[in-house]
Amino acid sequence: EAGVAQSPRYKIIEKRQSVAFWCNPISGHATLYWYQQILGQGPKLLIQFQNNGVVDDSQLPKDRFSAERLKGVDSTLKIQPAKLEDSAVYLCASSPRRKGHALSYEQYFGPGTRLTVT
Amino acid sequence: DQQVKQNSPSLSVQEGRISILNCDYTNSMFDYFLWYKKYPAEGPTFLISISSIKDKNEDGRFTVFLNKSAKHLSLHIVPSQPGDSAVYFCAAEDGSSNTGKLIFGQGTTLQVKP
Repeated sequence: EAGVAQSPRYKIIEKRQSVAFWCNPISGHATLYWYQQILGQGPKLLIQFQNNGVVDDSQLPKDRFSAERLKGVDSTLKIQPAKLEDSAVYLCASSPRRKGHALSYEQYFGPGTRLTVT
Repeated sequence: DQQVKQNSPSLSVQEGRISILNCDYTNSMFDYFLWYKKYPAEGPTFLISISSIKDKNEDGRFTVFLNKSAKHLSLHIVPSQPGDSAVYFCAAEDGSSNTGKLIFGQGTTLQVKP
């Protein structure tokens, strides 16, 4: 079974520039998550999709971050414009979990994209 | 507001000995807990989990203990191996939201010396 794919693996941009990250989840997984992991901290959820609908985007800085999951499969996360504090690893994860189901499933993570904003 | 805390940034143990990683939480609505392991340049991988209705879950060398009254859980690795050297994250799920959203701790870097 193929894992969660992310690209690019590394990106260096200047502040105020734009950047986009791509994620392809495990086939058949309904739920997709984007996390931000700042050095020395744990992953922090930015946005959660179930199929192509948003379940939780309460911690997404909507003035500069946007995400979409067209057709309920691949997803893109965009930052426009980037700030120095956006330097982090952006992790995508997927799960067969569906909202409302009591059984918990672990999340499967991709390798992440390391973003450096200079 | 750090709802899940791993107060030890790092831990070093000798190969063959026990590794104990600790995690504290503040939200009494958390009802499912997971441990993830992360190697450099890779994403976190699931290790072991425990439901709040249990106080212990074991999988091979890995055992997770949950003390709900103290809002504390720990991961025991016995015996520790050099390949266990990684960053370990504790995560908790709020059962009332029923969305699968996880709150992660800051992580503990484990080094197992040969």
